[in-house]
Amino acid sequence: EAQVTQNPRYLITVTGKKLTVTCSQNMNHEYMSWYRQDPGLGLRQIYYSMNVEVTDKGDVPEGYKVSRKEKRNFPLILESPSPNQTSLYFCASKSGTSEPIPTDTQYFGPGTRLTVL
Amino acid sequence: AQKVTQAQTEISVVEKEDVTLDCVYETRDTTYYLFWYKQPPSGELVFLIRRNSFDEQNEISGRYSWNFQKSTSSFNFTITASQVVDSAVYFCALTGGDKIIFGKGTRLHILP
Repeated sequence: EAQVTQNPRYLITVTGKKLTVTCSQNMNHEYMSWYRQDPGLGLRQIYYSMNVEVTDKGDVPEGYKVSRKEKRNFPLILESPSPNQTSLYFCASKSGTSEPIPTDTQYFGPGTRLTVL
Repeated sequence: AQKVTQAQTEISVVEKEDVTLDCVYETRDTTYYLFWYKQPPSGELVFLIRRNSFDEQNEISGRYSWNFQKSTSSFNFTITASQVVDSAVYFCALTGGDKIIFGKGTRLHILP
């Protein structure tokens, strides 16, 4: 089954304790991205990656890191989480522009609900 | 700059009524895609439909229909004979390159 998976789905942590949220897709997509969703603010892009070893900042990158060492994985790293990073996080992927039939459709993972105390 | 506006923050209708969700967008790109996503109470984001900027043909899929009008920069979504299971937050989105811009969503309540 074609899908984007995220782990963990739920996480409660404390300020300053480094954490990683994993994201993996099995659709051979070139493009991957991370978003956070907050009430009243909608979905905002954190980071995206056009391909392996290529990452770019989205609209709200502060406090986050990403890496893209393999095509299928795009982990989100919070080096020193703070309470304002409490949010619902989504990973997404889509086929890249170099692929035969780019559709520009992003497929989302199930979400990770993070609480930072 | 690209922008997506969903003016309706929250809508409540009684089951079996028709309901239209509005979406207005702004872009300077000549080639772009428009999307609708559904987010049910369980929280996942479900892709519903995609339209590219060259395809103004409106579509009906079961109880869902979409009306794309470039002249008014609108991409509205209608549910006919609504059901309780349609209760969700619906997001309109726009892409034109590397980024996707989401509207803030419309929360739809279908009352039994």
